[in-house]
Amino acid sequence: AQTVTQSQPEMSVQEAETVTLSCTYDTSESDYYLFWYKQPPSRQMILVIRQEAYKQQNATENRFSVNFQKAAKSFSLKISDSQLGDAAMYFCAYRSAFGNTGNQFYFGTGTSLTVIP
Amino acid sequence: ETGVTQSPTHLIKTRGQQVTLRCSSQSGHNTVSWYQQALGQGPQFIFQYYREEENGRGNFPPRFSGLQFPNYSSELNVNALELDDSALYLCASSRIAGDSGEQFFGPGTRLTVL
Repeated sequence: AQTVTQSQPEMSVQEAETVTLSCTYDTSESDYYLFWYKQPPSRQMILVIRQEAYKQQNATENRFSVNFQKAAKSFSLKISDSQLGDAAMYFCAYRSAFGNTGNQFYFGTGTSLTVIP
Repeated sequence: ETGVTQSPTHLIKTRGQQVTLRCSSQSGHNTVSWYQQALGQGPQFIFQYYREEENGRGNFPPRFSGLQFPNYSSELNVNALELDDSALYLCASSRIAGDSGEQFFGPGTRLTVL
């Protein structure tokens, strides 16, 4: 089974600074999708950014960008110009592109991000 | 566009009881997935429903069961509740099973088993 590892239980960043959250995954598949979700205290999971494994170009969404290293099975999230509203739990998630296993998201244990004013 | 909704918000049950959690999918979505999120953990996939049939299941015992209705809303039923079932239960909907797109999550139901 696929596994997703987030080795940073907690991170903090000064407002307006940049922070990088780490994620590694283990899979034998060649095609898959990777996601970063944000879960604020309100509990609702919100998609931050998505990466297709077959695309070499790293995904970007405004202040959020990823560093996708397929050979190293690494998928880190960079948040630039951090804002107070970025404070939340961040989850890295993996999803296969194949068959029925593609229905299942595998989540890491999360990184709690604190933004310091 | 209406988002994913879940009911109830909170629920307290005692060990051995049965519980039903409900989820309304986002407009235009025909696939619903359920996740269990224990405190301090990431969500764990329970199962997915597509066209009213189970379409993939995680490592959960049969006492976790579900339904999907013609309007694509869904229920999660848990029988013989155990203390370890205490968790946040998340429902997520998507347009098509196996689609490469995201899943849209509801706010969750917090279940406490005493």
